[in-house]
Amino acid sequence: AQKITQTQPGMFVQEKEAVTLDCTYDTSDQSYGLFWYKQPSSGEMIFLIYQGSYDEQNATEGRYSLNFQKARKSANLVISASQLGDSAMYFCAMREGSGGYNKLIFGAGTRLAVHP
Amino acid sequence: SAVISQKPSRDICQRGTSLTIQCQVDSQVTMMFWYRQQPGQSLTLIATANQGSEATYESGFVIDKFPISRPNLTFSTLTVSNMSPEDSSIYLCSVVQTHLTDTQYFGPGTRLTVL
Repeated sequence: AQKITQTQPGMFVQEKEAVTLDCTYDTSDQSYGLFWYKQPSSGEMIFLIYQGSYDEQNATEGRYSLNFQKARKSANLVISASQLGDSAMYFCAMREGSGGYNKLIFGAGTRLAVHP
Repeated sequence: SAVISQKPSRDICQRGTSLTIQCQVDSQVTMMFWYRQQPGQSLTLIATANQGSEATYESGFVIDKFPISRPNLTFSTLTVSNMSPEDSSIYLCSVVQTHLTDTQYFGPGTRLTVL
């Protein structure tokens, strides 16, 4: 079974609007971490935001926020005030267990296009 | 976060040859990870490299095809051996830098095309 599911292969948004990218996950661990990465056409993977399973508040980093609904096992990324430079692939990833030695499992990704 | 560099940034190789990709970090790290991203696909972990021990490979990846070296705490290499067109991918190394959250930070990637 897929552990990370991103159901939106592609999304588009008008510049300055907000957009939500969906991510659901599956784990039986109590301790886990959820991450979002951005991959522009250059290929680099840019870390955006992190949410720990025990964090009670949703994570925020500038224009990025993570809508964490633990009971529903969802960790959606919200980008506010979209900019043209936000056009890229976005990957949701999960680390099961605690400790950085555990691998990241990535979703299939969502391609976001920001239109002027 | 750490500064991570990879060499080469891209290469075009002939089938049957091998390519060694270097990953350099500007600070000491315990674990380094190597990922493969095939065209239009997501990232898949190849192996985890711990300094001073053999790399740990994921299912579907073998040492003969993807030998890894980790001679010190700031450097690692991944070799793609006996290449075929199916090896055309982006190869990325990553390190854990933020121990509070165990966030992995990635190098810029190596874009490999095999003809």
